[in-house]
Amino acid sequence: AQTVTQSQPEMSVQEAETVTLSCTYDTSESDYYLFWYKQPPSRQMILVIRQEAYKQQNATENRFSVNFQKAAKSFSLKISDSQLGDAAMYFCAYRSSGDKLTFGTGTRLAVRP
Amino acid sequence: DTGVSQDPRHKITKRGQNVTFRCDPISEHNRLYWYRQTLGQGPEFLTYFQNEAQLEKSRLLSDRFSAERPKGSFSTLEIQRTEQGDSAMYLCASSSEFQGIQETQYFGPGTRLLVL
Repeated sequence: AQTVTQSQPEMSVQEAETVTLSCTYDTSESDYYLFWYKQPPSRQMILVIRQEAYKQQNATENRFSVNFQKAAKSFSLKISDSQLGDAAMYFCAYRSSGDKLTFGTGTRLAVRP
Repeated sequence: DTGVSQDPRHKITKRGQNVTFRCDPISEHNRLYWYRQTLGQGPEFLTYFQNEAQLEKSRLLSDRFSAERPKGSFSTLEIQRTEQGDSAMYLCASSSEFQGIQETQYFGPGTRLLVL
């Protein structure tokens, strides 16, 4: 079974600074997808960024980028120019082709003004 | 609003009662997923549908849980004889799948269940 590990329960960043959230996963499959989802307090989960395992290029979405290391099974999220609205729980998730999501336990990100 | 919607948003019930939740997916999405999220944890998969067919059920889904998607549109999740351990956020997500390629899952706001 696939597992996803987020070893940082909480992180804090100064507004306008950069922060990196860590995620590792375990799988024996070669074709899969990785995601970062954001869950603000009392609000619904939204997709931040997605990475296909077959793509060597790291995904980027505006201020959000990933460092995908397939051999190391590592998938970290970098948030640049942090904003107060970035404060939320961030979940790393794994999905094999055409299947359900397996989530990590999450990292709570606080942004200091 | 064309996102995933869930009803009710909050439910308080007494132990032993039955509850039913509804999820309306994004209209063109043929896949619908149910997840359960307890405090401080990530969501855990319960079951999913492709159109009206229920394709997979988690071992977490005891016999007291049943889900349907009768016409391939909205879905219901029923919990019979609720227990205090059923207290959680129940999340619904939908996605489209075409020619073997599944797109991103989009989540609803969830139904928060409290069993007293």
